[in-house]
Amino acid sequence: NAGVTQTPKFQVLKTGQSMTLQCAQDMNHEYMSWYRQDPGMGLRLIHYSVGAGITDQGEVPNGYNVSRSTTEDFPLRLLSAAPSQTSVYFCASRRGLAGGSSYEQYFGPGTRLTVT
Amino acid sequence: DAKTTQPNSMESNEEEPVHLPCNHSTISGTDYIHWYRQLPSQGPEYVIHGLTSNVNNRMASLAIAEDRKSSTLILHRATLRDAAVYYCIPLRDTGKLIFGQGTTLQVKP
Repeated sequence: NAGVTQTPKFQVLKTGQSMTLQCAQDMNHEYMSWYRQDPGMGLRLIHYSVGAGITDQGEVPNGYNVSRSTTEDFPLRLLSAAPSQTSVYFCASRRGLAGGSSYEQYFGPGTRLTVT
Repeated sequence: DAKTTQPNSMESNEEEPVHLPCNHSTISGTDYIHWYRQLPSQGPEYVIHGLTSNVNNRMASLAIAEDRKSSTLILHRATLRDAAVYYCIPLRDTGKLIFGQGTTLQVKP
C-alpha cells in the first residue's frame, strides 16, 4: 500500500490564484480529513469527510472547498489564495465510522504552500 | 471535545525512559485516548491509543489513570529519533482529531 499520498509537495501561488491540493489513499478508508499547520504551531482541522459524497467543516474552513466523489480521493481547493493561507497542509485517513475513535489515523507527507 | 493539558517541553537522555503526562479531565466515557507524534518536517504519526486499560505496543506504553482524567505515554528507552512533538488527543466517534500544542521532547545523547 502507498498509504496516503499528497501532490504537489511544494507550491508557490500569487495572491488571488486558485489551486487544488490532491490527496489519495489506497486503504479503502471511509474517513478523510485535511489539516493545516502554520510555522511553530499545532495542526488545525480544515474539512473532513466520513464517506463519498459527505463532507463537513472543521475548525478553520473559510477559504477552502472540498468534495468527495470517490472513497480514494479527497481534494482541497483554495478558491482565491491569500498570504494567510501560507502553511503546510496535511491530509489524513482512517478506517471505520462506527467505533471510529478506536482506529488510528494515517497522515500524508504534506504539501508546503507559499502564497506571495 | 475534551480539553487537554500537556507540558510545553521535556528533556530526556538517550536510552533512559521518558514519561510524558497528559491531563484530560473533561474526557467523556467513550472517548479513546490517542497519542500521535510529529517528527521534524514530517506529518504526524500514530503512536498508541487506549480506552481504560494500559496498553503496550512496539513503540510505547500507555498508562491510563483509573478515573481516566489523565494518561502517561511511556517511551521505555528514548533514542535520538524519538525527538518530536507528542500530542495527546481524546477522540470521539465523530473521528475529528483535534490537536493541541503538544509536548516537545528533546533527547540528549
